[in-house]
Amino acid sequence: DQQVKQNSPSLSVQEGRISILNCDYTNSMFDYFLWYKKYPAEGPTFLISISSIKDKNEDGRFTVFLNKSAKHLSLHIVPSQPGDSAVYFCAASANTGNQFYFGTGTSLTVIP
Amino acid sequence: ETGVTQSPTHLIKTRGQQVTLRCSSQSGHNTVSWYQQALGQGPQFIFQYYREEENGRGNFPPRFSGLQFPNYSSELNVNALELDDSALYLCASSPELWGVDEQFFGPGTRLTVL
Repeated sequence: DQQVKQNSPSLSVQEGRISILNCDYTNSMFDYFLWYKKYPAEGPTFLISISSIKDKNEDGRFTVFLNKSAKHLSLHIVPSQPGDSAVYFCAASANTGNQFYFGTGTSLTVIP
Repeated sequence: ETGVTQSPTHLIKTRGQQVTLRCSSQSGHNTVSWYQQALGQGPQFIFQYYREEENGRGNFPPRFSGLQFPNYSSELNVNALELDDSALYLCASSPELWGVDEQFFGPGTRLTVL
């Protein structure tokens, strides 16, 4: 069962515009969420996180929004840059902290 | 810091064989997690080790086993390989159990089972 879903396999955005990547989850016990970025032939790298006590977390050009009632989170990248082109995974964890459930990823292409 | 490394990069095995994949964590990282990423899927949690003891396991059969050593290296062993075991295997290390923001992934080992 896929507890974390990223329904858009790919997204193309013009450089300088906003990229919005979406993620839905089904398990109401999830209380910690992360976004990872993955380049080809490399492991995923941590990007930004949010706990369930917040509804927004911002780090430079990256902002994650959490809507607990809708079991939905999104990652906003503003402004998008060509170097942002990568596969983005969202991941979620319940309070045990050690098991993360990943989505299937969204491949972002930022067009110069 | 040298980062997280994995060996080998690629591996081809036949059904029924056994395989050992290796991971070298960052020095001082007491936690290592292993993930399986099938083609077109996200990483799936296999298990986690903390200070050489298993600390949680995902929905994988017992033929997936692991070891963690005091020198911050670890192994993933898979017995009786099946075709569906073909995937990218990722390890990730972090200093302690709760430092999830500090989890660093290796580049992975691509396993092909024929």
